[in-house]
Amino acid sequence: KQEVTQIPAALSVPEGENLVLNCSFTDSAIYNLQWFRQDPGKGLTSLLLIQSSQREQTSGRLNASLDKSSGRSTLYIAASQPGDSATYLCAVRPRGNAGNMLTFGGGTRLMVKP
Amino acid sequence: SAVISQKPSRDICQRGTSLTIQCQVDSQVTMMFWYRQQPGQSLTLIATANQGSEATYESGFVIDKFPISRPNLTFSTLTVSNMSPEDSSIYLCSVEGGPQGKEQYFGPGTRLTVT
Repeated sequence: KQEVTQIPAALSVPEGENLVLNCSFTDSAIYNLQWFRQDPGKGLTSLLLIQSSQREQTSGRLNASLDKSSGRSTLYIAASQPGDSATYLCAVRPRGNAGNMLTFGGGTRLMVKP
Repeated sequence: SAVISQKPSRDICQRGTSLTIQCQVDSQVTMMFWYRQQPGQSLTLIATANQGSEATYESGFVIDKFPISRPNLTFSTLTVSNMSPEDSSIYLCSVEGGPQGKEQYFGPGTRLTVT
C-alpha cells in the first residue's frame, strides 16, 4: 500500500527566503506526482505535475523535482512571499488499474512572515 | 484545465439531517471523484462516479451513507445522510484532465459543520 509522507508538517520563514518542501513515497511504481496548494477552508489548486519519466517541472518561482528510484520529490519556492502562506500537498498516482486512486501526503503548512 | 463549481460553499446542519452537495464542471468528463477532508487531515477518496452507472465506493464508505448521482457528463451530487458531528469535513469534487488526462483538478469544496 502506497504511503506518502511530507516533512516538515509546518514551516515558518521570513519573507524573501528560499525554501524546500519534501515529499516521500514508499512505492516507486507511480504514474505521476502532483503538488497542490490549499488555502484554509478551501479547495486544492494544482501547482505542478511531474510525470514519472520527468525529473523536474518549473512554474514561475516554483520548481518541483522527482527522484522516483529513491521515492522523493521536493518543491522549491524561491523568494517566498506572504501570499505563499498556505498548506502544500503532494499526491502520487499509481500505475495500472488503480491509476485513479491518488494517495495524498499529510501536507506542509507554510507561513511566510512579512 | 477544468473549472469546477460546488454548491453550497458551506453549511451548518443538525445531527440526523441530510445534505446534498452539487458539483458542476465546465466540460464533459467521464469520471468525477468525491473526496473528504476531515479537520486537520489530508484527503480521502469517498467514491468515483461514472455517468450512467453506479458509483464505486472506497473501503469505509457506503452508498446508504453517501448516495451519489451522476445524471450527465458535467454534473454530480453527493448526499451526506443521517449526519453526525463526525461528518464535519470539507467535501471536494474532483475530475481528471490535462493533455494526458491524468492531472487532477478540484472544486472549491463544501465546508460542512454538523452540530
